[in-house]
Amino acid sequence: AQSVTQLDSQVPVFEEAPVELRCNYSSSVSVYLFWYVQYPNQGLQLLLKYLSGSTLVKGINGFEAEFNKSQTSFHLRKPSVHISDTAEYFCAVKHQGGKLIFGQGTELSVKP
Amino acid sequence: DGGITQSPKYLFRKEGQNVTLSCEQNLNHDAMYWYRQDPGQGLRLIYYSQIVNDFQKGDIAEGYSVSREKKESFPLTVTSAQKNPTAFYLCASSIGGAGPGREAYNEQFFGPGTRLTVL
Repeated sequence: AQSVTQLDSQVPVFEEAPVELRCNYSSSVSVYLFWYVQYPNQGLQLLLKYLSGSTLVKGINGFEAEFNKSQTSFHLRKPSVHISDTAEYFCAVKHQGGKLIFGQGTELSVKP
Repeated sequence: DGGITQSPKYLFRKEGQNVTLSCEQNLNHDAMYWYRQDPGQGLRLIYYSQIVNDFQKGDIAEGYSVSREKKESFPLTVTSAQKNPTAFYLCASSIGGAGPGREAYNEQFFGPGTRLTVL
């Protein structure tokens, strides 16, 4: 069965510092991976996705993620965060039946 | 503008009442999904539909019902059988749910959500 584990439930960081949000997945088939962001009381917005090709994926708002097959990871990074990046971030993997399996989310809190 | 709309944004329900949450999309997507979000638990799939007039149970379907009579619409009814309905409900859609060659189209687009509170 496919599953997604987000290793940190909360990540506090100071403004302009780098950040990494960790995501590990388990899957026995070809993997399609996604990162979504959710601002308070809103829906989810796609940050980036890995379907195939280059393992380094660039997304919106300066975020990027690296697909590592040997470590079954898809960590999200940003070299310098802003206050406006404060939100909850979800990692997801496509299920064989077409559904998405989501991790439990990581709350990123950017402090001035 | 293309997108997904959910209404209402906030909904209050008395115990024992059924309520229906609306989800409409004008993206011409075949697949639609309903998720429930509780603090610290991520998103859990309630029901999904890959084509009109067809839908499948997700991981937590008990106490919920859906219909898919039109491509654009996928309403969710929270019945009185749902023991703990207070939550944030999110609707999503994607071009295609499954099938050969459609793997690239599993990006889901989300609506703004409905917050349901049982009084």
